[in-house]
Amino acid sequence: SAVISQKPSRDICQRGTSLTIQCQVDSQVTMMFWYRQQPGQSLTLIATANQGSEATYESGFVIDKFPISRPNLTFSTLTVSNMSPEDSSIYLCSVEDRGRYEQYFGPGTRLTVT
Amino acid sequence: GENVEQHPSTLSVQEGDSAVIKCTYSDSASNYFPWYKQELGKRPQLIIDIRSNVGEKKDQRIAVTLNKTAKHFSLHITETQPEDSAVYFCAASMDQAGTALIFGKGTTLSVSS
Repeated sequence: SAVISQKPSRDICQRGTSLTIQCQVDSQVTMMFWYRQQPGQSLTLIATANQGSEATYESGFVIDKFPISRPNLTFSTLTVSNMSPEDSSIYLCSVEDRGRYEQYFGPGTRLTVT
Repeated sequence: GENVEQHPSTLSVQEGDSAVIKCTYSDSASNYFPWYKQELGKRPQLIIDIRSNVGEKKDQRIAVTLNKTAKHFSLHITETQPEDSAVYFCAASMDQAGTALIFGKGTTLSVSS
């Protein structure tokens, strides 16, 4: 499976600021996904990022709050904007294995908003 | 949209016993059902999956069964070991490109020696 990395691995941010999370894959993938995992909870899809098109957001998530870029087939960013303590979560990217549609996750970014 | 229910939320077993986790889904169009294991502080890892064209799949000590009529699928772990202790998530999606996974709420499995 693809090797996926995320930066930063963790961060502590002030309320009202923004953080951009990077997801890098070692091979070209068509679909990338961004999930949020709140403490002790399951994974919730934020958006689907397809290279060359606008990201598709799930109900409850909006582009102004979580803008996503997908400039090429190996990279994506998720920005968490105007942060509040409720945004404290682990943010994970995942990639879809071409052909088999299996998804593999990056190591996650642990965000704490104070 | 799809909704996945997972039970139990916690499961404690003795080493060597079997563990069973069950999930139900709502969308009959779903046909891909993966299971992920997440150890504390780690990323979810795909451990086994099943597609709707089969009823059962096995990989060493783990197996997954699927009942499409009843819309439920289960994870079976035999001869449990302490290293099986983790949170397990089931998920459902359609087996096609670009379809996101809908996850259950997770089961915390504790295996005591």
